[in-house]
Amino acid sequence: DVKVTQSSRYLVKRTGEKVFLECVQDMDHENMFWYRQDPGLGLRLIYFSYDVKMKEKGDIPEGYSVSREKKERFSLILESASTNQTSMYLCASSRLNTGELFFGEGSRLTVL
Amino acid sequence: AQSVTQLDSQVPVFEEAPVELRCNYSSSVSVYLFWYVQYPNQGLQLLLKYLSGSTLVKSINGFEAEFNKSQTSFHLRKPSVHISDTAEYFCAVNPRRNDYKLSFGAGTTVTVRA
Repeated sequence: DVKVTQSSRYLVKRTGEKVFLECVQDMDHENMFWYRQDPGLGLRLIYFSYDVKMKEKGDIPEGYSVSREKKERFSLILESASTNQTSMYLCASSRLNTGELFFGEGSRLTVL
Repeated sequence: AQSVTQLDSQVPVFEEAPVELRCNYSSSVSVYLFWYVQYPNQGLQLLLKYLSGSTLVKSINGFEAEFNKSQTSFHLRKPSVHISDTAEYFCAVNPRRNDYKLSFGAGTTVTVRA
């Protein structure tokens, strides 16, 4: 089975803190994604990566950055967390040209 | 660019009754279509997908969806729901030959009552 593992299920941080969300997949997928999920808004793409050290902005990249140093790992970074970044963050991966995403269980971030 | 509209945000339904979740999309190119399900406190799981071929696709747990190109729809149905089908359901569209632009609808919460 494909497994996408997110390092933290729940985090509580203070405004201005730097936050790292880690994601690892074990199926040698080329593509990796970070989404944000908010009630009534569905999933919105923050960043994606189609290869090591390659990244592209999604629909809402402001306030976020990413890192992909190894194929299996894709990290989301909040340089200075703000309260409006309180949300559920979902990591996903996919093989090239299939369109089918495999998701992690999510990381619920609360910024106080 | 493409967009996805799920017409119902909440669908309450009694156990063993049928359910239909509506999904319409707009796209200037041919698309792949997906339904994902999210059970409480879990990530999203693929429920079913349309890539090509038969326009009626089925899942292993009794759901089915039909791709209607003329109406640009991909509605999800189940003839008889169970309590365990309580979840949030997301329709998603991915333009062919472009993996990176999967667009999701806002989601439909299905609550099954005994």
